[in-house]
Amino acid sequence: SAVISQKPSRDICQRGTSLTIQCQVDSQVTMMFWYRQQPGQSLTLIATANQGSEATYESGFVIDKFPISRPNLTFSTLTVSNMSPEDSSIYLCSVREGAGYGYTFGSGTRLTVV
Amino acid sequence: GNSVTQMEGPVTLSEEAFLTINCTYTATGYPSLFWYVQYPGEGLQLLLKATKADDKGSNKGFEATYRKETTSFHLEKGSVQVSDSAVYFCALINAGGTSYGKLTFGQGTILTVHP
Repeated sequence: SAVISQKPSRDICQRGTSLTIQCQVDSQVTMMFWYRQQPGQSLTLIATANQGSEATYESGFVIDKFPISRPNLTFSTLTVSNMSPEDSSIYLCSVREGAGYGYTFGSGTRLTVV
Repeated sequence: GNSVTQMEGPVTLSEEAFLTINCTYTATGYPSLFWYVQYPGEGLQLLLKATKADDKGSNKGFEATYRKETTSFHLEKGSVQVSDSAVYFCALINAGGTSYGKLTFGQGTILTVHP
């Protein structure tokens, strides 16, 4: 299965600033996704990162707050903009290698906003 | 819409005890079903999967059978170890509709195994 490198692994940020999270995959994949896991909660899909076009956001998430780039089939970034303490979460990127396969997840970025 | 419901935790067991974590789902069509595990401080790892009715997924001593008649995918292990302490997530990939191809997660079940 694909190997995902996600960085940074953790960060502590000041409110009002932005953080960009990178996700690098060791093979070309069609589908890349970004999830949020709030403390003690399950995972919530933020958006699907589409190569060559704008990301597709889920209800409750907007591009101005979570801009996403997908310049090629092996890389994507998620930016958490104008952060507040409520953005403190684990952010995970994920890929799906094809129909019938599960998703492979990166190790996550633990973000704390102070 | 699609949803996954897991038994509420946390679950606390002694080493070598039998484990069951219940999972039921609601979905259109014929979803694929998964169990993911998240060890402390780590990301999610795929534990096992089943893609059609009556399939049994298995890995590391864990098993789960896709039961379409009861819309269930319960996770079992005959003898747990301390190293199995983690959060377990049941999930499905939507087989159709507007959420095609997207993972839907249950709320997660915390498992703690004591020596």
